[in-house]
Amino acid sequence: QKEVEQDPGPLSVPEGAIVSLNCTYSNSAFQYFMWYRQYSRKGPELLMYTYSSGNKEDGRFTAQVDKSSKYISLFIRDSQPSDSATYLCASLKGSARQLTFGSGTQLTVLP
Amino acid sequence: KAGVTQTPRYLIKTRGQQVTLSCSPISGHRSVSWYQQTPGQGLQFLFEYFSETQRNKGNFPGRFSGRQFSNSRSEMNVSTLELGDSALYLCASSTGQGIFADTQYFGPGTRLTVL
Repeated sequence: QKEVEQDPGPLSVPEGAIVSLNCTYSNSAFQYFMWYRQYSRKGPELLMYTYSSGNKEDGRFTAQVDKSSKYISLFIRDSQPSDSATYLCASLKGSARQLTFGSGTQLTVLP
Repeated sequence: KAGVTQTPRYLIKTRGQQVTLSCSPISGHRSVSWYQQTPGQGLQFLFEYFSETQRNKGNFPGRFSGRQFSNSRSEMNVSTLELGDSALYLCASSTGQGIFADTQYFGPGTRLTVL
């Protein structure tokens, strides 16, 4: 079993929809949680970074972590065609610098 | 500020050969991490270098090695290439300092094809 599991998708939504992307993790040592966006033929780009449980909002994006259920979510409001990409969740243990990634969810936002 | 650069962007090699990939981190960053991305396994951590020393290592065979220079630039070497080594190799840079982990910024990757 992978330490970080992610809904594989692919996911296709109409423009303006609210998108929910989800991951679960199994290692209780994970303390930092990230969401990366990766466009085709590009490296991952950091979107959101949270520590421990709670919500963090940045514009149209909200990251949510529930450590009690080991659940990580990313919500995208008013989705745009430019949001079409693969979204990767990642987790990091306390002082380690080794990111553990989910398998990624491919999102397509249709105009 | 310039981002992470990786060279070359594309490589084609044959089985049994060796390959060296290069990564230049963001100016001021001293930590460079390498990852392998494949459709089947996703993104997997290879190793991390900080101040010319390997600080963390993932679960890859010894054919995968790396080094870091005094200017923080890093190289990754894969010897005796296998078909399964075909992947996108990504490097990520961070300051590498502090007690807790800091943000990693990724380069565009080097796409290696092994024939």
